[in-house]
Amino acid sequence: QSVLTQPPSASGTPGQRVTISCSGSNSNIGSNYVYWYQHLPGTAPKLLIDRNNQRPSGVPDRFSGSKSGTSASLAISGLRSDDEADYYCASWDDSLSGWVFGGGTKLTVL
Amino acid sequence: QGQLVESGGGVVQPGRSLRLSCAASGFTFRPYSMDWVRQAPGKGLEWVAAVSADGRNGYYTDAVRGRFTTSKDNSNNALFLQMSSLRVDDTAVYYCVRASGSSWLDPFDIWGQGTMVTVSS
Repeated sequence: QSVLTQPPSASGTPGQRVTISCSGSNSNIGSNYVYWYQHLPGTAPKLLIDRNNQRPSGVPDRFSGSKSGTSASLAISGLRSDDEADYYCASWDDSLSGWVFGGGTKLTVL
Repeated sequence: QGQLVESGGGVVQPGRSLRLSCAASGFTFRPYSMDWVRQAPGKGLEWVAAVSADGRNGYYTDAVRGRFTTSKDNSNNALFLQMSSLRVDDTAVYYCVRASGSSWLDPFDIWGQGTMVTVSS
């Protein structure tokens, strides 16, 4: 059971916009930044969204993040086949004194 | 950009110990906090441990506290994870990860390819 809650799966067709939600609590998302990681099959995870809504260098602007209260979301617009991956939200948890991840959302491009 | 290469994984019996190593290259190692993140087969990512930039302080998830110890050798650009009293549920791919700054509140910006640890009798 992950501390942060994500839907296990999401899907869309090429060109569509999809969103992935991440729900937490006051001790994590409610008081700390949210980060999103993309994990493509057979590769190392990659930081996709920094500090709630910032894109690291090289991340296309098709990817965007937002946060409100104890929830966050990742939006992917102009969906492409190579966006198929597992997406994880993460945040520092003040009560646990450690990082917590969501269970991951497997994105399928139909 | 930097590279992290893990080694030391393998098959080990429950209750035994194993030491993972991570060699860093392509960046100045000393100023960064470092972490270990694992992924059990078919499961999601789980943060395991963090060590401060100077190597003096560590944080651990409850599941491994008291059994795992992480250390940082700034002279040799290396990170270690000493795992003892291993359990079947420690079976996972273990990733060596760089925090983007000196704080363990900084996100993970460089990941190794991972090393597999299998705990089985």
